[in-house]
Amino acid sequence: DSGVTQTPKHLITATGQRVTLRCSPRSGDLSVYWYQQSLDQGLQFLIQYYNGEERAKGNILERFSAQQFPDLHSELNLSSLELGDSALYFCASSVVGGDTYTGELFFGEGSRLTVL
Amino acid sequence: TQLLEQSPQFLSIQEGENLTVYCNSSSVFSSLQWYRQEPGEGPVLLVTVVTGGEVKKLKRLTFQFGDARKDSSLHITAAQPGDTGLYLCAGVDYKLSFGAGTTVTVRA
Repeated sequence: DSGVTQTPKHLITATGQRVTLRCSPRSGDLSVYWYQQSLDQGLQFLIQYYNGEERAKGNILERFSAQQFPDLHSELNLSSLELGDSALYFCASSVVGGDTYTGELFFGEGSRLTVL
Repeated sequence: TQLLEQSPQFLSIQEGENLTVYCNSSSVFSSLQWYRQEPGEGPVLLVTVVTGGEVKKLKRLTFQFGDARKDSSLHITAAQPGDTGLYLCAGVDYKLSFGAGTTVTVRA
């Protein structure tokens, strides 16, 4: 158990819909990262938050957005869903000092999204 | 686009055999990490290598970081079925950039 909790574990929805994925980081971790894992693209970095503020952005679509709340949990919102958005979405957390990632990422078990 | 190329993509071996997985990049990273991911779970860190030429051992696993800090390898000696999983290398800058992974299957 990594200490990172993601909900829901599985989600099936239709194209055009909107979903929200939730992540609770390990106790004490200030950084939350979102990754998308698909068969053809591997693990792709989406976005990072540090103590409530966006710190880094990766290959995140404009239809996707995220936020980190004062209690440090994070949500990833996916809207206008397309078939190609079907993937595993991982949240990870870490203890990060300053602007440089230097430590270990602790991953949750992922949320499997299926868009039909 | 993957900054890190892993090879081979798939590897299936018999219990007791040795295997090597490679991770290559055109970029220099401050450090490189190896993770293992099992079905239904998130990746779990195995090791971080920082210094060019560094070699780290974790029981039957040996990790090497290239002198130029652009490539790395993971060698497993006398593989066991419990070593089965997806092995991912990740280059470290302000985030982790992952390779596509090598799926290792160790048959009993």
